[in-house]
Order: sequence, then structure tokens, then C-alpha cells
Amino acid sequence: DTGVSQNPRHKITKRGQNVTFRCDPISEHNRLYWYRQTLGQGPEFLTYFQNEAQLEKSRLLSDRFSAERPKGSFSTLEIQRTEQGDSAMYLCASSRQGGPSNTEAFFGQGTRLTVV
Amino acid sequence: AQSVAQPEDQVNVAEGNPLTVKCTYSVSGNPYLFWYVQYPNRGLQFLLKYITGDNLVKGSYGFEAEFNKSQTSFHLKKPSALVSDSALYFCAVRDIRYGDDKIIFGKGTRLHILP
Repeated sequence: DTGVSQNPRHKITKRGQNVTFRCDPISEHNRLYWYRQTLGQGPEFLTYFQNEAQLEKSRLLSDRFSAERPKGSFSTLEIQRTEQGDSAMYLCASSRQGGPSNTEAFFGQGTRLTVV
Repeated sequence: AQSVAQPEDQVNVAEGNPLTVKCTYSVSGNPYLFWYVQYPNRGLQFLLKYITGDNLVKGSYGFEAEFNKSQTSFHLKKPSALVSDSALYFCAVRDIRYGDDKIIFGKGTRLHILP
């Protein structure tokens, strides 16, 4: 169990550019979550997957955000035409689905995005 | 839809004293409840969870939490605080009844343990 891995750890981009983040979950976990966290706030739900199926996308997300998990393993989060308000920590988490012993999510270290 | 409230932005406790960090929740079905801790520049670490059974659950680093269904609360507790417990604490809920079982987090409570 190598834990949840996120890359890159830091990303600085100019406003208007596109960025893509990658998350590698714990290998046997079929649930994968994306959250956004700003300084001193709680993780804000963005979207989550069951295997390759995207179950829900937050209504707070604009169409500039898209996420994929094509083979049910790693996931990518893309932000198009970045804005300064997109600056935040983007967190990925994974969990098993089903059963009382398989409920908690494990988080990666996050990708910190700065839009200048 | 599920939601979580952490009514205190910050809690200050003297080292050695007991601590409580409050959390209330709202779900349509049955809740799975969690506490996570976040140290500066680190990811969230899982502390403990309530699924079913005994209302008092024990977790990592001497923390425990008490589930109260009538008050829809899940307060985090520790009998004797350490300076190293200073961190940001998040309560989270997962509503497992209707299939919409994403995990939703509260805004967090900053815990300061004073030496």
C-alpha cells in the first residue's frame, strides 16, 4: 500500500492556460474523489468516481473543469482557461466501496495551484 | 443532501486539559461519520470513524468521539491535550442510504493547545 499519489505537487500557471493534475489512488480502491481546499477552509467536494464511472459532479464547478478515470485506476483533473480564483489546493482521495470496514477515504498530499 | 457543521472556528485548550471539538451533521439516511486532522502543508489524515454499534469510538493518537443520534452530533474528544495536537480538524459525513454517498466535510476547527 503506497498511498494516494498526486502529481505535480505544485503548479504555477498564467491566467488563461490549461492545467492537468494526476491522481493515483491506492490500488484496490474503486472509489476516487476530487476536492478543492482554500486556505483555512474545509475540502470542497468537486466530483467522484466508482471505477471509471463519474457518479457526480458538483454544481459549483464550471464547465472549465473536467475529470476522467478512463480505466478505473488513475484519474486526471483538467482546468481549462484558468482564472485567479482557481488558485487552491486540489486534493484527491480514494476508498473502497461497500461494507462498514471500507468506508474512510485516504488522501494524497494535494496539488497546489497558483494562477498568476 | 448531507451536510456537516463545525460551529467553532478555533478552540484553545491548555496542555493537559481535556479537549472537545464539536460537530453536528444532517443526513437523509444513516450516517457514516469521520474525523480527519491536517497539519501544516500536509494532506488530511484519518483519525476515527463511526459506522454502527458503540456510540463511543476510539481512534489514533488517543482521540475518541461520541456519536449522539438524537442530537445529530459527533464531537471529538481527548482526555488530556498535547501541544502536538495543535492542528486543523475536520468532521465529515457519508450518507449511505440513498446511494449518494460522497463524503462531505465541515469547514474545520483550528485547535490550539497552549503550553
